[in-house]
Order: sequence, then structure tokens, then C-alpha cells
Amino acid sequence: DIVMTQSPLSLPVTPGEPASISCKSSQSLLHSNGFDYLNWYLQKPGQSPQLLIYFGSHRATGVPDKFSGSGSGTDFTLKISRVEAEDVGLYYCMQGLQTPITFGQGTRLDIK
Amino acid sequence: QEQLVQSGPEVRKPGASVKISCKTSGFDFTNFYMNWVRQAPGQGLEWLGIINPNDGATTYSQKLQGRFSITSDTSTSTVFMELVSLRPEDTAIYYCARDRELLDYWGQGTLVTVSS
Repeated sequence: DIVMTQSPLSLPVTPGEPASISCKSSQSLLHSNGFDYLNWYLQKPGQSPQLLIYFGSHRATGVPDKFSGSGSGTDFTLKISRVEAEDVGLYYCMQGLQTPITFGQGTRLDIK
Repeated sequence: QEQLVQSGPEVRKPGASVKISCKTSGFDFTNFYMNWVRQAPGQGLEWLGIINPNDGATTYSQKLQGRFSITSDTSTSTVFMELVSLRPEDTAIYYCARDRELLDYWGQGTLVTVSS
């Protein structure tokens, strides 16, 4: 199974400041089609996870451009340019390259 | 618009079984694989399995192999999961999610509580 490792696990951020979350996979997520099969999700309190970024860097429909994804192979990063109160919750990375699909442990973002 | 609506909360005793439904609308059900994911209280996300509604082919997590199954009904665009021989550690919110790689739309979740 591919192991996904996120850091940090807790991320307190001052409103208006940027935030960054790292995700590392135990093997390359690069598919033969040229896409990295790495997604980012936000689970707001009491809600289902929502897709933010797919294939490493593609924003999902309706996701504001303050969210961006980068990286390739085994190292990926989610960045939020300016954190707002509505961004609090658990952020997960997920690999969709092979089954079993696996998730990172989650990073809890809260407001300082 | 795409919607995944799951059945309501369930309470079961250890050793019993539970079957949850996920009714979809707003997209062509036969064009998308469907996943099941669960989240134990205060824990992260755990993928359980996937089905291709076109032919009913399934792949399951080894962790639940033998106790877990997924089926689908194309006439109602609904996917089901069943978990048997329930244990207290199966207490979790169970989610359905669309698409093989993207998991781009999720149901609202169904709480399954296993307690004697």
C-alpha cells in the first residue's frame, strides 16, 4: 500500500497570513498519462470532505484561487495564500493511483 | 447538479449486519465508479472499496475482506454497502464518493454505531 505522510498535523494561522501543508508519498504518484494522482480535500467541521485540488495542481470546480497545489512524484504541497475563518478544518491528501486508495493523517488548520 | 444522498443513521449490536444506500442524481450513474470511505470518531479517512456500476466489478480493502460488500442498482442509480459481523470498532461515519480517482462528490455520511 502507498503510505501518505502529511506535515504539520496541526497548523494555527493568523487570518490574512499564508499557510502551507506538505504531503509525501511512499512511492511516485506519476501515472503513465503524465498526471500525478494526488488530491487535496478539506473537511469542514461537521461536513463531508470536499475536493479542493486534483492531479496535484488542478483546482476543482468552484474552489477559490487562493488554494493552490504543487509538486510531483512523491512530494506535494497545498498552499493557501491568505487564510480566512472559513478555511478552518481538516485537510487531507489522497493518492488515487492504485487501490487501496490511501489518505494522509490529516492536518488540522485553525485560526490563532 | 450532482447529488449523493445516503440513508439514515443505524444502531446495531456486535455480530449484526448493516446495509447503507447512496442514491445519486444529476449525472450518468453508469459513467462513474463509486467508492465507500469511512471515518471513525476523531479519526482520519479510510477507503473501503469501489464498484463499477457498469458491470458490478468490485475491489475491496484487504482490512475488511470477507465482511464488506458493495452492490449497485442502475435502475435507481443507487449504490449500497453491506458490512457483516459488526464489531464496536466499525462504529464510524460511512461516506459514498463518486469517481475512481477524483472522489469529487461525496454523500452526507451515515453514522453507524455498533454497541451492545
